Amino acid sequence: DIQMTQSPSTLSASVGDRVTITCRASQSFRSWLAWYQQKPGKAPNLLIYKTSILESGVPSRFSGSGSGTEFTLTISSLQPDDFATYYCQHYNSYSPWTFGQGTKVEIK
Amino acid sequence: QVQLVQSGAEVKKPGASVKVSCKASGYTFTNYAMHWVRQAPGQGLEWVGWLNPGNGNTKYSQNFQGRVTITRDTSASTAYMELSSLRSEDTAVYYCAREDTQYLPDCWGQGTLVTVSS
Repeated sequence: DIQMTQSPSTLSASVGDRVTITCRASQSFRSWLAWYQQKPGKAPNLLIYKTSILESGVPSRFSGSGSGTEFTLTISSLQPDDFATYYCQHYNSYSPWTFGQGTKVEIK
Repeated sequence: QVQLVQSGAEVKKPGASVKVSCKASGYTFTNYAMHWVRQAPGQGLEWVGWLNPGNGNTKYSQNFQGRVTITRDTSASTAYMELSSLRSEDTAVYYCAREDTQYLPDCWGQGTLVTVSS
C-alpha cells in the first residue's frame, strides 16, 4: 500500500500569511489525492480532490497542486477560521484510504 | 438527505470485543461502499477497512491483523465494524463514511468513542 508522509506536523502562522503543506507519497500515482480540514470533535471536511479540484463551497484561498509523489496544499491568505488540522489522503477505486499524519495550523 | 447514524459510546476491558453500527438513510444502502476510519485521542486518521454492501466483500487494513470484521444487514441498511482482542491503543473515535462515485467520503457518521480500559 502507498504511504503518505505529511510535513510539517505543526505550523505556526498569522492571519494573512501564505501557508503551504506538503504531502509525499511512497510511490507515484496519478492525481488521486485529497485534502481535508478537521476541527476538534468533528469529522474531516473535504477541501480538495483529484489534487487540485476545489470542493463546492470551499473558499478560493485554498488550492492544491502536485504530481507523482509530491503534492501541496496552499492557503493564500490565512483566515481565523483556517486554524485547524489538515490531512492529505490517497484514494482510488477498491483501495485503502491512506492518510498523512496531519498538519496542525496554529496561531503564531 | 443522506445520513449515517452510529451507535453510542462504548467502554470495554482489554481483551474484549466491540461492535459498532452505522445506520444509513436517504439513499440505497447497497449502491455505495462504506469505509471505517478511526482516530485515537490527539492523533491522526487511520483507515480500518471497507465494505461493499451490495455483495458483502470487504478489505481490511493490515494494521489490524485479523482483529477486525466488517459486516452488513441490508434489510436494516446498517453496516457493522467489530474489533476483537481490544487493547488500550484501540481507544479512539470510530467513524463510518460513505464512499461516493469518485471514491471519496461524501458523508460521515457522527463518530463512536470506544474506550478500552481495565
